[in-house]
This record gives sequence, C-alpha cells and structure tokens, in this order.
Amino acid sequence: GQNIDQPTEMTATEGAIVQINCTYQTSGFNGLFWYQQHAGEAPTFLSYNVLDGLEEKGRFSSFLSRSKGYSYLLLKELQMKDSASYLCAVREGRQAGTALIFGKGTTLSVSS
Amino acid sequence: EPEVTQTPSHQVTQMGQEVILRCVPISNHLYFYWYRQILGQKVEFLVSFYNNEISEKSEIFDDQFSVERPDGSNFTLKIRSTKLEDSAMYFCAGGTGPEAFFGQGTRLTVV
Repeated sequence: GQNIDQPTEMTATEGAIVQINCTYQTSGFNGLFWYQQHAGEAPTFLSYNVLDGLEEKGRFSSFLSRSKGYSYLLLKELQMKDSASYLCAVREGRQAGTALIFGKGTTLSVSS
Repeated sequence: EPEVTQTPSHQVTQMGQEVILRCVPISNHLYFYWYRQILGQKVEFLVSFYNNEISEKSEIFDDQFSVERPDGSNFTLKIRSTKLEDSAMYFCAGGTGPEAFFGQGTRLTVV
C-alpha cells in the first residue's frame, strides 16, 4: 500500500528556520517532490529528489534518505508569504508520466 | 512564463449532468495529468496521458470519467452523470520531465 506521512500543522516566526518532515512507504520509488499550496490555489513545484542527499534552491532545501523512506523540506529566513500548505509527494512508477501520490500536507503558519 | 490554463475557473452543475473541464497545457509538455482535491483533503491522482493515450489511471477514474486531447492542444476531462461527491477542485498538470506543473484549477460544484 501507499502511506505518506507529514505533520498536520506547524508554526514558526518570521526570520526563523523550519523543517517539515515526510516519511513514506510505497510499493515503488522514482522520486520525491515538494509542492507549496496557498489556500484556494494550485500546488506549485518546489523541489525534486531522486538520489540521497540535499538539494538546495535559494531559501528552500530538500533532503532525501531512500533507505529510511524519509525526506524533509527546510525553509530558511521565513517570510509571512511562506504561510501555506506544503505537500510531500512520491512517484512510484518507473515509466515517464506516472502518478504523483500526495501526502495530506503540512499547514505552516508564519507569524511576525 | 507560460502557464497551464484551465477553464472554467468555477462550474456549478446539477447532479446527473455531464461536465467537461478544459485545459491548455504548455506547448512543449509531453505528459498530462488530471488531479482532484476535495475541500480540506489531499490532492488525488486521476489519470495521466502520454502520446495521445492514457498511461495510468487511479481507482477513482472509473467509467464515469474520460479524457481526450481532441485537437492536439486542448486536454479535456469529461465527467458523465455527476454526483454530489464529485464536487472538488480539478487540476490539470503537465510536464516534460519528472516534475508536474499545475494549472489554477476548476472548482466543480455539484448541486
């Protein structure tokens, strides 16, 4: 079966660093994705990891450990506009264009 | 920067009616997807489309649903005989590689 777990809610302060964890158990693995979704809007692609290690992109970094079925998204220098839901998603299939399986998302609230 | 565009942004329909949701993918995208998100719930995969045919579909994508790319550009999702539980945000997405880029969605309300 498929199971993608992430915390439901997190809070943080402007300027701080926050780490959002994601654990997954899937029948296959062909990449882990992080998306940002503001309320009432579409998911926006943030990052993609297929090999173990850290991928850095500006204020956002994403880490993957395939052996542990674990990823995290690290957000630095938090801004109010970072208040959103952060979605962890896994691609199981090896073929191109296969489904992304999403977790329920972590709602991050950034306060001043 | 080009975007995946979806129309309409909001559709209200009566139970039992058919609806067609439309998407214009970015021109160089190769893979196309439909996802849905019921209010307050997670994003769920419906179907993927590649090389003018369905490449994968979920359990949700039953005989009530169909997809087409009628003119090589537009990508449509048809829902026959809508039910109340079909009320959701429907997202079209596309990509050339592993990432999928989402359109702004169509909010479908079945009454």
